[in-house]
Amino acid sequence: GAVVSQHPSWVICKSGTSVKIECRSLDFQATTMFWYRQFPKQSLMLMATSNEGSKATYEQGVEKDKFLINHASLTLSTLTVTSAHPEDSSFYICSARRDWAQHFGDGTRLSIL
Amino acid sequence: GQNIDQPTEMTATEGAIVQINCTYQTSGFNGLFWYQQHAGEAPTFLSYNVLDGLEEKGRFSSFLSRSKGYSYLLLKELQMKDSASYLCAVIPRDYKYIFGTGTRLKVLA
Repeated sequence: GAVVSQHPSWVICKSGTSVKIECRSLDFQATTMFWYRQFPKQSLMLMATSNEGSKATYEQGVEKDKFLINHASLTLSTLTVTSAHPEDSSFYICSARRDWAQHFGDGTRLSIL
Repeated sequence: GQNIDQPTEMTATEGAIVQINCTYQTSGFNGLFWYQQHAGEAPTFLSYNVLDGLEEKGRFSSFLSRSKGYSYLLLKELQMKDSASYLCAVIPRDYKYIFGTGTRLKVLA
């Protein structure tokens, strides 16, 4: 089956630090990847759609300069949370699309002190 | 607008059967997924429905009625490990999943 690897799984860092999260499709090529954020006891909220070789499409209310997305190859998308603050602490999940299905990574728990 | 509705919480007893409902209104329809999510983990795939009817997979079954914009997930012979959130997700015309808020299921001994 389709495997999506997300790294790191857990990050704790100081306020003001930038954090990069990687999402890799291990056994298939993904022209489209998605980035979600999930707060405790809430559902997944789509942040942006990452398209290989072009700019990401951000959902309303998501700051493009705050959450930088790069989809440089067919198997890798990265999300960089720039100058992270405590309110950015959340669970970030990526998914890679193959045909009609999205395959999820294991998520990254980000804690900003 | 587009929206998906699910009950927020449900409680059931070990060994029982529970049905989690999902209603949706979306721009186009390309399928409906059910996911299971344990606290602190990513969602894991349970079922996919694109045609009307019932799909059965072991202890889990999922039903879809496209004309009614309705689906349910049926869990039989409940086990303690089934305590989790269950997310209903619809694929609309643009293929961006729309997730419901999830139903937190608590299984009691």
